This record gives sequence, C-alpha cells and structure tokens, in this order.
Amino acid sequence: SQTIHQWPATLVQPVGSPLSLECTVEGTSNPNLYWYRQAAGRGLQLLFYSVGIGQISSEVPQNLSASRPQDRQFILSSKKLLLSDSGFYLCAWSTQGRSGNTIYFGEGSWLTVV
Amino acid sequence: RKEVEQDPGPFNVPEGATVAFNCTYSNSASQSFFWYRQDCRKEPKLLMSVYSSGNEDGRFTAQLNRASQYISLLIRDSKLSDSATYLCVVSLNTGGFKTIFGAGTRLFVKA
Repeated sequence: SQTIHQWPATLVQPVGSPLSLECTVEGTSNPNLYWYRQAAGRGLQLLFYSVGIGQISSEVPQNLSASRPQDRQFILSSKKLLLSDSGFYLCAWSTQGRSGNTIYFGEGSWLTVV
Repeated sequence: RKEVEQDPGPFNVPEGATVAFNCTYSNSASQSFFWYRQDCRKEPKLLMSVYSSGNEDGRFTAQLNRASQYISLLIRDSKLSDSATYLCVVSLNTGGFKTIFGAGTRLFVKA
C-alpha cells in the first residue's frame, strides 16, 4: 500500500532563517506531488505541485521554493523565513482513478516563525 | 465568488442527531467530488467520494446535483467522534487535474 511521510513534524524558526521540509512517498511510482499550507483557521492553499522529477509548478509567488530531486521525494524550502510563513504545511500525493484525482496527505509539519 | 463554498459553521449537535452539510461549486466543468474530514491539528483524510447517483457509507450519505452544482453530506446518528471539520473538494481536468478545497464546516457533537 502507498504511504507518505513528511518531516519534521514541528519546528520553531526565527525570522530570516532557512527552511527545509521533506516528504517521501512509498508504494507508488510517478505520483503527482503537492505542497499545501493551512494558516490558522483557514482553508488549504496550494503552494506547489509536481507531475515529475524536476517539474515544479508554483501556484502562489512568495519566498518559498520546491524541488523534486527524485521521483518520490518532494522538498519545500525557503532561504529567509517571514512571520507570515507560519502555518501547517502539508505534503500530498495523488492518483487518478475511477473517482478522479484523489489526494492523500502526509501528517503535516507545524511551522512557527518567531 | 469562491470556487467551492461551504457554510463555515460551527454546527453544534447532540449525539444521535442527523446533520447535513452543503457545498456549492462554481465551475460547471468539475468532474470529481469528495468529502474529507480534518481533525484538529491533523491532516485532512478522505471520507468518501461523491458519485452522481449518490452513495452511502454506513452513517454517511453523499449527494451530488450537477444541475445545481451542489454537493451534500448527511451524517446520521452522530457520534462524539464525528466532531471534526468537513471539507468539500472538487476536482476538474484543466489539462491536468486541478483540485479545489472548500474552507470546511466545523462540527461539534455533544454528549
């Protein structure tokens, strides 16, 4: 069966520091991969998605970037964090089947920028 | 107008009650529909897909009305463990699939 893991689960970072969140998927090949952010009490905001190695599409221009160095690895980065980057970051993968594009999420990473 | 709209709630219901959530979507080209459940400080999890003919999974029933661009979720015999935020999700094919999440409806089930 397919599983998705992301880490770290929680982190507190000072303003201006770098960020790296990592996500891996197991049990499937060539998945679509996503990074979402959910601010406190808000809905999910799509940040990046990838349909293959090295292929990244950005939905929202900001100081974050994403990379996909391997088929089942997706990384979210920032060179300098802002206070507004605080939130719940979710990596996800999807498959297309009878029900359409079904998305499955990792456990999430709570980022607090101080 | 938001692409997927839900009543934010919260809905406060007693155990055993029946509760219904509504959702509307704006893009008539939408092809796939889902309900997700999100517990506090956790990731969203797929609750059920929504099919045109309507479908049921235990105490949960989902309905789709394409003409009205409306989706619903009915929960019968509510349990304390049903307390969560319920997200309406719509997927459409725009050359690649685009998935849009509603902001969610919060449900509190009380003893």
